[in-house]
Amino acid sequence: EVQLLESGGGLVQPGGSLRLSCAASGFTFSSYAMSWVRQAPGKGLEWVSAISGSGGSTYYADSVKGRFTISRDNSKNTLYLQMNSLRAEDTAVYYCAKVDYCSGGSCHWYFDLWGRGTLVTVSS
Amino acid sequence: EIVMTQSPATLSVSPGERATLSCRASQSVSSNLAWYQQKPGQAPRLLIYGASTRATGIPARFSGSGSGTEFTLTISSLQSEDFAVYYCQQYNNWPPCTFGQGTKLEIK
Repeated sequence: EVQLLESGGGLVQPGGSLRLSCAASGFTFSSYAMSWVRQAPGKGLEWVSAISGSGGSTYYADSVKGRFTISRDNSKNTLYLQMNSLRAEDTAVYYCAKVDYCSGGSCHWYFDLWGRGTLVTVSS
Repeated sequence: EIVMTQSPATLSVSPGERATLSCRASQSVSSNLAWYQQKPGQAPRLLIYGASTRATGIPARFSGSGSGTEFTLTISSLQSEDFAVYYCQQYNNWPPCTFGQGTKLEIK
């Protein structure tokens, strides 16, 4: 079965750190770019970060640049998001999402497969 | 950064009727636009990409149109399972991709 399964969310104090994981199955993980998208409680979707299939290219939203690091281990079919210096405004459900199509180093950055999400709460 | 604006914020429609949702981009995104459906407590689901191509397994009652800055998602005959929040997303100017704020489709 093709699926993504996030883990690692929880309650953390402001200024703290957390590492999210996303385990992929049912497709050739290394062939696809991946992304993290978040959704604050009762709010809309916000793109956070993305990474190429090889891991050689990474991208970040301005709101998390310098604080979050995306990475992947293709041998383990797993995507990661290291989150440091967390703020209250980072509180959200974090979704792992698969990019549908890349060719010749260029991707169409829309998402055809999503995980169920993991909740990150930043609060003292 | 391209701003995506969806209208209306809430749309009330009766089952069996047609629903038309709009999405406007602050500058041209060509046809690089996707639509997603999200039900409470669930992840978003891809409906449409390339402004008008249905994703795998999406029923034919869902259709997308438009290019440039104006886009429409039409649901031709609403079923009970279609009541949800719908988001548009541009992926023409990357990074970042940007989402609209969503349209809640509710039962009238």
